[in-house]
Amino acid sequence: DTAVSQTPKYLVTQMGNDKSIKCEQNLGHDTMYWYKQDSKKFLKIMFSYNNKELIINETVPNRFSPKSPDKAHLNLHINSLELGDSAVYFCASSQVRQSDEQFFGPGTRLTVL
Amino acid sequence: AQSVAQPEDQVNVAEGNPLTVKCTYSVSGNPYLFWYVQYPNRGLQFLLKYITGDNLVKGSYGFEAEFNKSQTSFHLKKPSALVSDSALYFCAVSSYSSASKIIFGSGTRLSIRP
Repeated sequence: DTAVSQTPKYLVTQMGNDKSIKCEQNLGHDTMYWYKQDSKKFLKIMFSYNNKELIINETVPNRFSPKSPDKAHLNLHINSLELGDSAVYFCASSQVRQSDEQFFGPGTRLTVL
Repeated sequence: AQSVAQPEDQVNVAEGNPLTVKCTYSVSGNPYLFWYVQYPNRGLQFLLKYITGDNLVKGSYGFEAEFNKSQTSFHLKKPSALVSDSALYFCAVSSYSSASKIIFGSGTRLSIRP
């Protein structure tokens, strides 16, 4: 069974469109994250939720909105997509403590044309 | 503010030789230090972590890392490299005061030649 899953794996879309990426974890973790990995492989945290509550919100455009319907799911909705949004987006989960390792999903490669 | 540095973009090692991937960090308070590996077109996988205790930490696939508080370093090591170790390696740091926020280094590409 996949521990952290994301859909879709690939997403190709036009500038200005709105798209969503879904994430689910079956590890029973309380905390979930969204990361963006750019073309140079630099990894940057975007959001973190603990038990459906937003706890980390980095400097991310308002066009990005996370939603956590329950603690096993964290979705990412992106409005008015721009060329610069092209990247690989990773979902991850962990237990609550900062000392706990994170488990990453396989990533969603977003290409904005 | 927390930060982590991986000074080498790429490390090249011959198979069978020892390897070291360097990492230094800056954090307020006691650090929690992690190493992750990323294979092509995959998500990151946890390798090992240092929380407290013994400075030498052993992890998956024969990797180990040594915590050095005076040098604020957490270098990843393996006594004998395998071609299959070729991947992108990330060092990361968090702390009790970081509110679950973890900072990742820029990554080091490890290339093992046969």
